[in-house]
Amino acid sequence: DGGITQSPKYLFRKEGQNVTLSCEQNLNHDAMYWYRQDPGQGLRLIYYSQIVNDFQKGDIAEGYSVSREKKESFPLTVTSAQKNPTAFYLCASSIGRQGVGEKLFFGSGTQLSVL
Amino acid sequence: QKEVEQNSGPLSVPEGAIASLNCTYSDRGSQSFFWYRQYSGKSPELIMFIYSNGDKEDGRFTAQLNKASQYVSLLIRDSQPSDSATYLCAVKSGGYQKVTFGIGTKLQVIP
Repeated sequence: DGGITQSPKYLFRKEGQNVTLSCEQNLNHDAMYWYRQDPGQGLRLIYYSQIVNDFQKGDIAEGYSVSREKKESFPLTVTSAQKNPTAFYLCASSIGRQGVGEKLFFGSGTQLSVL
Repeated sequence: QKEVEQNSGPLSVPEGAIASLNCTYSDRGSQSFFWYRQYSGKSPELIMFIYSNGDKEDGRFTAQLNKASQYVSLLIRDSQPSDSATYLCAVKSGGYQKVTFGIGTKLQVIP
């Protein structure tokens, strides 16, 4: 079945530690996204990528880094510079056609907590 | 000014009534508008999308877009308790793949 796989489902970070959240899609989508959701809040865009080897900062990129070396994969690293990383992280993808309304396909999310 | 604004609610409606959810956006170049439903602890799922002025209907759901007023709304007719969820408005910037979400409106349908 085609879809987006996020792992792990739960992740714990120690102070000063970098952690990486995995996101893999087999939908052959060009565009991929990372969002952060805090309790009772909407989704805030961290990074997005329109095509392989290209990505753009979203609204809250500080303390995060990404790579897009393969079309299928868009891992997110939460660095030690992110002082408040506890949140629900959602990865999404879309076909990526310019100017066309198209749905985002979401993974099941990763809940990151600080020890 | 936030790019996409929604009232966080909660919006409470009785079962069978019409629920009206509203959203405004700041970027006049925005081309595509989406409504997602999110149950607690789950990922958002697409309910409707619209990109032309006017109304778009799909079953019990109607999306309305007014680009001159930078306003998009979602109407849910014959509301059911299973409709109780958070409804997220999302806007795609014209020419780019950036999709921005509002904070979501929590809807409670009272049996």
